[in-house]
Amino acid sequence: SQTIHQWPATLVQPVGSPLSLECTVEGTSNPNLYWYRQAAGRGLQLLFYSVGIGQISSEVPQNLSASRPQDRQFILSSKKLLLSDSGFYLCAWSPQGYGSYEQYFGPGTRLTVT
Amino acid sequence: DAKTTQPPSMDCAEGRAANLPCNHSTISGNEYVYWYRQIHSQGPQYIIHGLKNNETNEMASLIITEDRKSSTLILPHATLRDTAVYYCIAAASGTYKYIFGTGTRLKVLA
Repeated sequence: SQTIHQWPATLVQPVGSPLSLECTVEGTSNPNLYWYRQAAGRGLQLLFYSVGIGQISSEVPQNLSASRPQDRQFILSSKKLLLSDSGFYLCAWSPQGYGSYEQYFGPGTRLTVT
Repeated sequence: DAKTTQPPSMDCAEGRAANLPCNHSTISGNEYVYWYRQIHSQGPQYIIHGLKNNETNEMASLIITEDRKSSTLILPHATLRDTAVYYCIAAASGTYKYIFGTGTRLKVLA
């Protein structure tokens, strides 16, 4: 069966510090991968998605970036965090291909920028 | 993708059916209706999806109106563990972009 891991679970970082969040998927090959952010009391906002190694699409212009160095690894980064980057960050995967596919979400990372 | 509208909150007695409505009046022919739920401080969990026909799985049933402008998610016997925010999403086949609204906060009461 497929599993998705995210770490760390919680993170407190000062403004201006760098960020690296990691997501890995097990039990499937060539998945589509996604990063979402959820601000307190809000819905999920898609930040990035990837259909393959090195292929990243950005949905929202901001100071965040994403990379996919391996097939089942997705990394969210920032060089300098802003207070507005605080939130709940969720990684998700879906099967590759064209069709109606559900997305499977990881446990999330709660980031607080102070 | 079509915009969806859901009531902000609902209560349901434990053991009773929970019926969660969703309006998607601008849905197009190739857009599916997906339902997810998010239990507090966890990632969303896929529940069910459908295009035209009603669908049922081990978690829930999805009823889509004939004109496809609205749908209802039915949890047949709600338990306290079903307390969560439920999201209805309309998304085209092959799309990578889900638009999550604020969903319906379902509270199951003992």
